Amino acid sequence: GAGVSQSPSNKVTEKGKDVELRCDPISGHTALYWYRQRLGQGLEFLIYFQGNSAPDKSGLPSDRFSAERTGESVSTLTIQRTQQEDSAVYLCASSLEVLVNTEAFFGQGTRLTVV
Amino acid sequence: EDQVTQSPEALRLQEGESSSLNCSYTVSGLRGLFWYRQDPGKGPEFLFTLYSAGEEKEKERLKATLTKKESFLHITAPKPEDSATYLCALSGNTGKLIFGQGTTLQVKP
Repeated sequence: GAGVSQSPSNKVTEKGKDVELRCDPISGHTALYWYRQRLGQGLEFLIYFQGNSAPDKSGLPSDRFSAERTGESVSTLTIQRTQQEDSAVYLCASSLEVLVNTEAFFGQGTRLTVV
Repeated sequence: EDQVTQSPEALRLQEGESSSLNCSYTVSGLRGLFWYRQDPGKGPEFLFTLYSAGEEKEKERLKATLTKKESFLHITAPKPEDSATYLCALSGNTGKLIFGQGTTLQVKP
């Protein structure tokens, strides 16, 4: 695709429900990154993928958070049993490769509100 | 542990008043230092990549420079449309792309 696409753009969910956030990276980009951005805060690193593998999951805030990537393309970030502190914008980015470290391009984010 | 610290947190300038934003970093094996611009409600927009000390990049009123410990984003004669949050990020041997907290710039006409 022309750019990184994230869906949904907005999600309101009840506390305790599970949510899935989707990221479609730029075609041909093997590296994919997930971030969380709370209101007025910086970007908090969550996880990155090189291909379909996630070498480092230490940024995930708790075991309620998980992510997967298939076909070196679409990635899904799942939050189970959502809590109010999970409310934030979740941003996805992709780049050609991780080790070469070309620039990463971001989607517009998914704004998650837990009520 | 890789770390990025940006200063100041906020900066207010009059149109035409030049200034600089600072990004201090520590990293194991720098593979790239990146500058992004973020407008409210949008994802970060890529501006520059710097790879080695002494490197400089320019784009319109912006110039990014890099030393072994810091990067600066110089803004020359800013305009109100330059108002945004500017983010610094780096990538090292871990493969992670780590961001600073950002500098929110407001340029008044």
